[in-house]
Amino acid sequence: QKEVEQDPGPLSVPEGAIVSLNCTYSNSAFQYFMWYRQYSRKGPELLMYTYSSGNKEDGRFTAQVDKSSKYISLFIRDSQPSDSATYLCAMSSSWGGSEKLVFGKGTKLTVNP
Amino acid sequence: GAVVSQHPSWVICKSGTSVKIECRSLDFQATTMFWYRQFPKQSLMLMATSNEGSKATYEQGVEKDKFLINHASLTLSTLTVTSAHPEDSSFYICSAMDIQETQYFGPGTRLLVL
Repeated sequence: QKEVEQDPGPLSVPEGAIVSLNCTYSNSAFQYFMWYRQYSRKGPELLMYTYSSGNKEDGRFTAQVDKSSKYISLFIRDSQPSDSATYLCAMSSSWGGSEKLVFGKGTKLTVNP
Repeated sequence: GAVVSQHPSWVICKSGTSVKIECRSLDFQATTMFWYRQFPKQSLMLMATSNEGSKATYEQGVEKDKFLINHASLTLSTLTVTSAHPEDSSFYICSAMDIQETQYFGPGTRLLVL
């Protein structure tokens, strides 16, 4: 079993839809959970990060972490064509230092106008 | 915001040659930088952790003699792919860690070895 599992999609939705992106993980030591957005042929851009369980909201984006289920989600409300990208989840057991990030494969999202 | 650049953005080379990729933190100092490799439809895989002024730490399965890393200053790390082969063709991405220990990623370098 891989440490982080993420459905690669692709996921195609109409503009304005609510998008749900998910990852599962196996390592219970993970405490920090991040979502990155990666446009084609570009490096990842950090969208949000969450520590431990709970929710975090930033504009149209909401990140949820359920440590008991080892399941994290990113919700995008009122999706826009500019949200079309690959979304990667990443996690680590501590913040910074030499602790490495473990990434999911990414989910490719297309928002159709 | 923190900006990380990479140069070149893409490179094509012949098999057997060496290629150097630069990673720079433009507006902050980074004592730690990371090098990742991403194959199509795959996740980013950490290759090595680069610390300024010391030897890089390589992940299991990454050949340190093939992927030479030099972190010569607080704003520059280089990755040299020595004796490149077609199987080394990939998207190489660096990240730099700021003082809050947040990683910021570069735009990536696409390497094609013929």
